[in-house]
Amino acid sequence: QKEVEQDPGPLSVPEGAIVSLNCTYSNSAFQYFMWYRQYSRKGPELLMYTYSSGNKEDGRFTAQVDKSSKYISLFIRDSQPSDSATYLCAMSNSGAGSYQLTFGKGTKLSVIP
Amino acid sequence: GAVVSQHPSWVICKSGTSVKIECRSLDFQATTMFWYRQFPKQSLMLMATSNEGSKATYEQGVEKDKFLINHASLTLSTLTVTSAHPEDSSFYICSATNQVNYGYTFGSGTRLTVV
Repeated sequence: QKEVEQDPGPLSVPEGAIVSLNCTYSNSAFQYFMWYRQYSRKGPELLMYTYSSGNKEDGRFTAQVDKSSKYISLFIRDSQPSDSATYLCAMSNSGAGSYQLTFGKGTKLSVIP
Repeated sequence: GAVVSQHPSWVICKSGTSVKIECRSLDFQATTMFWYRQFPKQSLMLMATSNEGSKATYEQGVEKDKFLINHASLTLSTLTVTSAHPEDSSFYICSATNQVNYGYTFGSGTRLTVV
């Protein structure tokens, strides 16, 4: 079993839809959870990071962590064509940027105008 | 915000030659830099972790003599792919952190094609 599982998609939704992206993980030592957005042929950019279980909201984006189920989600409200990208979940067992990240494979999202 | 500059953005080289990729932190001191490789439709795979002034720590299966990493200053790390072969063609991405404020800033990546 891989440490982080993420459905690669592709996922295609109409503009304005609510998007739900998910990852599951097996390593209970993971404490920090991140979502990155990666446009084609570009490096990933950090969207959200959370520590411990619960929700965190930033504009149209909501990150949700359920440590008991080892499940994290990213919700995108009122999706826009500019949201079309690959979304990667990432996790680490320590913060402060000093430890390596374990990434999911990424989910390719297309938002159709 | 923190910016990491990675050059070149793409490179084509002949089999057997070496290629150097640079990763610079522009507005912060990067005590730790990470080098990743990403194949099409695959996740980022960590190749090595480098701390300024120290030898890089390579992940299992990554040949340290083939992928030379130098982190001689707090703002620059380089990855040299030596004696490149077509199977080394991939997207290479660096990331950097100052280990103070949480966050890993990624470079824009380098697409290497070995012909």
